[in-house]
Amino acid sequence: DAKTTQPPSMDCAEGRAANLPCNHSTISGNEYVYWYRQIHSQGPQYIIHGLKNNETNEMASLIITEDRKSSTLILPHATLRDTAVYYCIVRFASGTYKYIFGTGTRLKVLA
Amino acid sequence: NAGVTQTPKFRILKIGQSMTLQCAQDMNHNYMYWYRQDPGMGLKLIYYSVGAGITDKGEVPNGYNVSRSTTEDFPLRLELAAPSQTSVYFCASSYSGRGNYEQYFGPGTRLTVT
Repeated sequence: DAKTTQPPSMDCAEGRAANLPCNHSTISGNEYVYWYRQIHSQGPQYIIHGLKNNETNEMASLIITEDRKSSTLILPHATLRDTAVYYCIVRFASGTYKYIFGTGTRLKVLA
Repeated sequence: NAGVTQTPKFRILKIGQSMTLQCAQDMNHNYMYWYRQDPGMGLKLIYYSVGAGITDKGEVPNGYNVSRSTTEDFPLRLELAAPSQTSVYFCASSYSGRGNYEQYFGPGTRLTVT
């Protein structure tokens, strides 16, 4: 089972880009990288996912290295509302679509 | 769409009591999940279901039971509550077809066992 490693916490100035790294060195070729965030004690919220190409949506960009052993979530213009715990997850390709959550990165956006 | 709903929002149980946490989704998702989250930790999968009548254990199933009689509902049963089951419980659902398997989470149930 592929596991992920993330820094426990990061700070980012409001309006600047927030770059959140994730290591997943044991990822398999058919496993996706997913990112979720959890604001306060709410249920986690989906942000973005990818397999091997870089991805962008209205919330964020996902950069996956060519060897797929690490990735970076980019919030291009962080706001105070982006303060949350961000989880990088590798989705099992076994067909059950289970997630294994780590402890995530606590991002604090500073005014 | 209401999405994923959970009841109750809060509950205090005495040791040895039992209760059922309710979860429902109106998105016609086949896959449903129960997680627990202890303070300062990530979510841990308790049980999941790939469709009505089919359930399977996750990482931390001991002390819990589930059933899935309909596509919409996925209740979690706690028998003989213990202080170690004090946690926030999240239910989630996801689509089972091709494409994005984003999980949609409910607002959670905060359970305290004393």
